[in-house]
Amino acid sequence: AQSVSQHNHHVILSEAASLELGCNYSYGGTVNLFWYVQYPGQHLQLLLKYFSGDPLVKGIKGFEAEFIKSKFSFNLRKPSVQWSDTAEYFCAVNAGTGGFKTIFGAGTRLFVKA
Amino acid sequence: GAVVSQHPSRVICKSGTSVKIECRSLDFQATTMFWYRQFPKQSLMLMATSNEGSKATYEQGVEKDKFLINHASLTLSTLTVTSAHPEDSSFYICSARNLAGGYDFGPGTRLTVL
Repeated sequence: AQSVSQHNHHVILSEAASLELGCNYSYGGTVNLFWYVQYPGQHLQLLLKYFSGDPLVKGIKGFEAEFIKSKFSFNLRKPSVQWSDTAEYFCAVNAGTGGFKTIFGAGTRLFVKA
Repeated sequence: GAVVSQHPSRVICKSGTSVKIECRSLDFQATTMFWYRQFPKQSLMLMATSNEGSKATYEQGVEKDKFLINHASLTLSTLTVTSAHPEDSSFYICSARNLAGGYDFGPGTRLTVL
């Protein structure tokens, strides 16, 4: 069965600091990987996704993630965070062979201090 | 872009009553939709996969007789919480796989059972 683990439950950063949120999954086959963001009081929005090709994926708002197959990881990064990045971030994975069931990690709450 | 809507956004009901939540894909057809439940400060937990024209697939531990899912058309899936109890109070979110291969999420429905 698929599972997703996010290492950090809460992260507090100052503006302009760099961000890296860890995500590891367990599934032996082909996977599709996603990062979603949920701003306070809003619903989930897709930040970026990886299906195939270049393992370094660039998303919206300056976010990127790198798929490292050997490590079963898909960490999210941003070189310089802003106060407006305060939100909850969810890593998600589904089996890429037609199984569209998407499993979410527990989420990481990011608070950026102005 | 693709949009998924949910109705109602909030519902308060008495214990023992049933509540129906609708999920619609507004500008694309979705043969598969997903229902999630999100507890406060927790991640999304997949409840079931809704398949157009066939029975839903429920995750382990989710009571299919309690959470009835109907996916009668390519743009509508409904979740009915039958004989609701206070412990069913939660935030219910649906999602649909869009044409780009990603997942669009509805805004969620907050259910409060008194």
